[in-house]
Amino acid sequence: DGGITQSPKYLFRKEGQNVTLSCEQNLNHDAMYWYRQDPGQGLRLIYYSQIVNDFQKGDIAEGYSVSREKKESFPLTVTSAQKNPTAFYLCASSPQNGQPQHFGDGTRLSIL
Amino acid sequence: DAKTTQPPSMDCAEGRAANLPCNHSTISGNEYVYWYRQIHSQGPQYIIHGLKNNETNEMASLIITEDRKSSTLILPHATLRDTAVYYCIVRSIDQAGTALIFGKGTTLSVSS
Repeated sequence: DGGITQSPKYLFRKEGQNVTLSCEQNLNHDAMYWYRQDPGQGLRLIYYSQIVNDFQKGDIAEGYSVSREKKESFPLTVTSAQKNPTAFYLCASSPQNGQPQHFGDGTRLSIL
Repeated sequence: DAKTTQPPSMDCAEGRAANLPCNHSTISGNEYVYWYRQIHSQGPQYIIHGLKNNETNEMASLIITEDRKSSTLILPHATLRDTAVYYCIVRSIDQAGTALIFGKGTTLSVSS
């Protein structure tokens, strides 16, 4: 089945450590997005990419980095510079920017 | 994005139709109405979207009033698995690099 796969489902990070969240899609979508969701709050855009080898910062990019080397993959690295990384991270994709976005099941990141 | 107003909660008996309203009185001519839902601890799920005409897919129907100031999402035969928070979003299709803005949504509770 086509879809968006995020892994792992749960992730724990030690202080000062970088961690990478995986997002893979087999929907042949051009655009991919990373969001952060905090308890009881809406989604905030971290980074987005409209095409391979190109990406743009969203509203809260500080402390995060991404790459888009393949159409199918858009990994997110949470660096040690992100001081409050505990959150639910959601990856989404769409056929083109502006078309309905489809989401993965998320990765829940916690600090040890 | 145009502002939307939804009731905070609704109840529905299993097997009955669930009709979820959304007001978007300031919608612009190029803005679509999108519906998503989020089940606890999962990523948002795209349901349906439309511009002017009523739309139907395997999940739901979307009824948009002629003046486009309100819409109704219809789940024709609600099941327990339809219990979720439902979000109505108004957005132009050419918005690039902007986050989907989820308001507070409607919590639909389906009971047997």
